[in-house]
Amino acid sequence: DAGVIQSPRHEVTEMGQEVTLRCKPISGHNSLFWYRQTMMRGLELLIYFNNNVPIDDSGMPEDRFSAKMPNASFSTLKIQPSEPRDSAVYFCASTPGGFQETQYFGPGTRLLVL
Amino acid sequence: KNEVEQSPQNLTAQEGEFITINCSYSVGISALHWLQQHPGGGIVSLFMLSSGKKKHGRLIATINIQEKHSSLHITASHPRDSAVYICAARTGNQFYFGTGTSLTVIP
Repeated sequence: DAGVIQSPRHEVTEMGQEVTLRCKPISGHNSLFWYRQTMMRGLELLIYFNNNVPIDDSGMPEDRFSAKMPNASFSTLKIQPSEPRDSAVYFCASTPGGFQETQYFGPGTRLLVL
Repeated sequence: KNEVEQSPQNLTAQEGEFITINCSYSVGISALHWLQQHPGGGIVSLFMLSSGKKKHGRLIATINIQEKHSSLHITASHPRDSAVYICAARTGNQFYFGTGTSLTVIP
């Protein structure tokens, strides 16, 4: 059974460029989470979807960040325009049913903005 | 002020030792999560608990709601336990993460 799939695994881009990170949750899971991890701030929850609907996006740092979940098997996190301080590892996780279930993490996307 | 504090920050142990990692939190919680981050960066959810104790193999997690404190114990530690252990306090739809405890188990 495939776990959470994220792409790309590594991304290097220049400041000002648009970056799109992708996530495919585990089949049958109805909740999806996007996290960011940096050395300075550690892990942070950015946004939480339940049944494809954004439930809480209070962790999204600013308007340059947006996330969508057009269907149960795909989500994107977009940064436009990107800045060097966005450099981080971005993780996607899914659960069968909300926060009260065990989270299954993807391998992460390591983003470097030059 | 951090809502979640972990100690110690770094821990080195000899194989076979009993290990304890502590987590204190200041917020009212729905649950307390323990995560393991492998040296390669992958994250695994170990435990989610709101009371009492949970055990999985050599790992034991406890929580004291009144004292707002949780501990993660590893019995008979092994080099493959070397990782960063992160606790996270969940309140509603929010997570407050600790900064992690980096554990190295020496053969």
